[in-house]
Amino acid sequence: GQNIDQPTEMTATEGAIVQINCTYQTSGFNGLFWYQQHAGEAPTFLSYNVLDGLEEKGRFSSFLSRSKGYSYLLLKELQMKDSASYLCAADYSGAGSYQLTFGKGTKLSVIP
Amino acid sequence: EPEVTQTPSHQVTQMGQEVILRCVPISNHLYFYWYRQILGQKVEFLVSFYNNEISEKSEIFDDQFSVERPDGSNFTLKIRSTKLEDSAMYFCASREALGSYEQYFGPGTRLTVT
Repeated sequence: GQNIDQPTEMTATEGAIVQINCTYQTSGFNGLFWYQQHAGEAPTFLSYNVLDGLEEKGRFSSFLSRSKGYSYLLLKELQMKDSASYLCAADYSGAGSYQLTFGKGTKLSVIP
Repeated sequence: EPEVTQTPSHQVTQMGQEVILRCVPISNHLYFYWYRQILGQKVEFLVSFYNNEISEKSEIFDDQFSVERPDGSNFTLKIRSTKLEDSAMYFCASREALGSYEQYFGPGTRLTVT
């Protein structure tokens, strides 16, 4: 299967910047998604990268290196409400069906 | 804002019983998905559905599982004979069109098999 690896837990301080890394297998890879999931809730879409480089969207940015099989999610100006699990998911499906293979998620705790 | 809805929010069933989980995708979306998440574990793809047929399915989606779009709005997941290990949160998701990539997830149905 296609392994998606990301740290299990991270802790950061309110107002700070945190980077959540993700590595994935490059064979058959189409694109990389980041989702946010609060405890007991559904995942919500944050970003999608298909080309190398940085995509910025407000306080959140996502980076992709296709050759290295590496992505990161950067969260700036952390707020307490950012405490959640952040799911890295890769698309390995054919014909643009976007079947997602998820990592186990990184549980981020934002502390005052 | 349009959203994916799922019913029921929680379903308790006995091992061996059939369950049907229901989803109403966003109305103009064409691609539909079911995922599951066992408590404390990662989200896992089950099946994708387009143009009234299954597009792709995972190894988890065996003969005990089936999906159906019985009318123009509902999308259902049926488990014929539930097992204890089917206990999980089941998420439905939908996507708009061929060129779009964002999947919108419903709130999930928590299935507990006793």
